[in-house]
Amino acid sequence: QTVVTQEPSLTVSPGGTVTLTCASSTGAVTGSYYPNWFQQNPGQTPRALIYSTSNKHSWTPARFSGSLLGGKAALTLSGAQPEDEAEYYCLLYCGGAWVFGGGTKLTVL
Amino acid sequence: QVQLQESGPGLVKPSQTLSLTCTVSGGSISSDSYYWNWIRQPAGKGLEWIGLIYTSGSTNYNPSLKSRVTISLDTSKNQFSLKVNSVTAADTAVYYCAREYSLWGKGTTVTVSS
Repeated sequence: QTVVTQEPSLTVSPGGTVTLTCASSTGAVTGSYYPNWFQQNPGQTPRALIYSTSNKHSWTPARFSGSLLGGKAALTLSGAQPEDEAEYYCLLYCGGAWVFGGGTKLTVL
Repeated sequence: QVQLQESGPGLVKPSQTLSLTCTVSGGSISSDSYYWNWIRQPAGKGLEWIGLIYTSGSTNYNPSLKSRVTISLDTSKNQFSLKVNSVTAADTAVYYCAREYSLWGKGTTVTVSS
């Protein structure tokens, strides 16, 4: 079964920019993997941020963007805010099944 | 607006069957071309996709759970359901239902214990 890998943890300064990545054990991530990104705060339901690589939901803050970068899916946060400190998960469509990454704990410090 | 609500027993004995229902309100489960997911999260761990059902009734499952999982649709009740057979402590988790991946229920905690 496909393994989806994310950075376990990242730190960004307030106002700074950070990129989270999402890799597939089967090879380069392309648009056919329909990358999704989610934000989850402790004790809360995950909130969808990005779908199909780079599409934002109506509620997604403009400072979040999605892309493909170096064979991985990427979530870039530009102008980090304290409220962006959370766990972030990616989700890939891999051969008929969806697979979540292990999550990235983002600290804004 | 459309809302999803999970329901079912919070405690299941080992080797028994876990059964959950997701009730969709504010819209028809069979309208448009949405698919409906079950996702779970053990305490302190990451998200795990369990499977999905299309409005046609066809399903896709996580290969690691496929032998124990059934997802079904009841359009008359505007619900879809999850059954997991032969549960163990490893199935203890918060279970979420979701419309595709943009709209989620609040989740329900299921504990497997005797």
